[in-house]
Amino acid sequence: ELKVEQNPLFLSMQEGKNYTIYCNYSTTSDRLYWYRQDPGKSLESLFVLLSNGAVKQEGRLMASLDTKARLSTLHITAAVHDLSATYFCAGTGNTPLVFGKGTRLSVIA
Amino acid sequence: GAGVSQSPSNKVTEKGKDVELRCDPISGHTALYWYRQRLGQGLEFLIYFQGNSAPDKSGLPSDRFSAERTGESVSTLTIQRTQQEDSAVYLCASSLAGDSATYEQYFGPGTRLTVT
Repeated sequence: ELKVEQNPLFLSMQEGKNYTIYCNYSTTSDRLYWYRQDPGKSLESLFVLLSNGAVKQEGRLMASLDTKARLSTLHITAAVHDLSATYFCAGTGNTPLVFGKGTRLSVIA
Repeated sequence: GAGVSQSPSNKVTEKGKDVELRCDPISGHTALYWYRQRLGQGLEFLIYFQGNSAPDKSGLPSDRFSAERTGESVSTLTIQRTQQEDSAVYLCASSLAGDSATYEQYFGPGTRLTVT
């Protein structure tokens, strides 16, 4: 049974700083997803990582996947306030997605 | 095109009452999923429909929870005799087909259920 763990669960970072969110998973996952959720809103898909070594970037966010280490990272570069949200990673166990508990990111001036 | 829609957006109910939550998937999506998100938590899988196949109910927490889907369209999640621990946001998602390794899931805005 796939288990997904994220850390940290809470992250307060200053504007302009860099940081990384980590997502570990327990067994093989065919894909690894990253989602963003704003308060009171649904999930917005950020990245889909398909294979070992995959790296995707969108603006100040970059996601990578290491299937051998069963680890995905979401790297934030030069954080801005607009990035404040909760970020979830999810793997594919069987058919439904298995989600981590989320990382609540707060970017402060 | 239109995304996944859910109704109501908010529902407050008294303990012991039954509630029905509705999900309209993206047109043409054969797979439909229900998830529950408790406050400050990740999403928990509840149930999954794929075409005319028998639904995967493995995530339903108790027999008070049930769901139906009419063909490849609307789904209704029913919670009977609601309890306070049922308070959560219930999210619906749909995908072109039921293979999460191939087809991305698109999420609706959710229904926030509060049981008083």
